Amino acid sequence: SAVISQKPSRDICQRGTSLTIQCQVDSQVTMMFWYRQQPGQSLTLIATANQGSEATYESGFVIDKFPISRPNLTFSTLTVSNMSPEDSSIYLCSVSDGIHTDTQYFGPGTRLTVL
Amino acid sequence: AQKVTQAQTEISVVEKEDVTLDCVYETRDTTYYLFWYKQPPSGELVFLIRRNSFDEQNEISGRYSWNFQKSTSSFNFTITASQVVDSAVYFCALSERGSTLGRLYFGRGTQLTVWP
Repeated sequence: SAVISQKPSRDICQRGTSLTIQCQVDSQVTMMFWYRQQPGQSLTLIATANQGSEATYESGFVIDKFPISRPNLTFSTLTVSNMSPEDSSIYLCSVSDGIHTDTQYFGPGTRLTVL
Repeated sequence: AQKVTQAQTEISVVEKEDVTLDCVYETRDTTYYLFWYKQPPSGELVFLIRRNSFDEQNEISGRYSWNFQKSTSSFNFTITASQVVDSAVYFCALSERGSTLGRLYFGRGTQLTVWP
């Protein structure tokens, strides 16, 4: 399976600021996904990011709040904009392995705390 | 409605006990995939198994085994002779062929604590 890294691993941010999270994969992948996991909760899909096209957002998530870039087949970024304490979560990126496209492998996550 | 239900929020066992984590799913697709992931305290999500809807064979991998029963829409996970290192949150997830490719529906997770 692909090796996935995320930066930063954790951060503490002030209300009203923005944070960009990077996701790097060691091989080319077709599909990348961004999830949010609020404290003590399950994972919720934010958006699907395919290279060369606009990200597809799930209900309840909008591009202005969570802009996503996917400049190539190994990299993606998620920005959490104008943050509030409710944005405090773990943000995880995942990738499909391209063989069994329904199997997703996850990065280590970014723990975000907003004060 | 929840597509994946993990009714057990928390389970505590003592080392060497066997433990079963329940997962019930709901879908109208005939082609779908079921997954189990492990999330240790460090936070990363570790893939454990993928099963497609046409393969009802049970699977065993070391101390782990999975029981897939379409008749009851269940995909249960058993850990035999549990160990402290098994302590984690375990998520069951569903992917439907008819929906957005790759879209995973996660259950709420079961926190397993194994005491020495």
